[in-house]
Amino acid sequence: GIQVEQSPPDLILQEGANSTLRCNFSDSVNNLQWFHQNPWGQLINLFYIPSGTKQNGRLSATTVATERYSLLYISSSQTTDSGVYFCAVDFAGNQFYFGTGTSLTVIP
Amino acid sequence: EAGVTQSPTHLIKTRGQQATLRCSPISGHTSVYWYQQALGLGLQFLLWYDEGEERNRGNFPPRFSGRQFPNYSSELNVNALELDDSALYLCASRGTMRSNQPQHFGDGTRLSIL
Repeated sequence: GIQVEQSPPDLILQEGANSTLRCNFSDSVNNLQWFHQNPWGQLINLFYIPSGTKQNGRLSATTVATERYSLLYISSSQTTDSGVYFCAVDFAGNQFYFGTGTSLTVIP
Repeated sequence: EAGVTQSPTHLIKTRGQQATLRCSPISGHTSVYWYQQALGLGLQFLLWYDEGEERNRGNFPPRFSGRQFPNYSSELNVNALELDDSALYLCASRGTMRSNQPQHFGDGTRLSIL
């Protein structure tokens, strides 16, 4: 069946450290998004990246569709990066399936 | 450009009552998705509407229903509320059905059942 798995489930970082979050998916992807959910519950679009590499400031993402995974890189982490990071995958052009998330805590 | 708007922000109900949540998509978007996020958990897909029709629904009982209006705004109705229905309900919109465009989320409605 359809699976979207994220790792690690939890991550604690010292401010300034770098991290890599992974999203594995079970089938060919039509669309893929990365989101950050802040402590107030708001879901912020980070990247729309069905394939290739994109960068936005300290964040970048790479999706290797042929190998069915995507990576989110966070460099020089800040306390405001804390929250839950979700990847969401659309396999057939209709609904998105969400992973279970990576909970990130950045310690000052 | 206005984003996805949801109302109300918070809603408090008692068991057995009915709740109505509302969502207005980004202008020009025809697809609306509803998700439930219980405390500390991930997003569970509820319903998808496009062009006024229900296109797909998740694994939820029939007391979760909704509709989409001609202006593409949407309502989620939850009947016979149970304590486990307490959650953050998130709405997202997207360009058109099967469009290769990202979803955009509203800020959600926090539903609390007493």
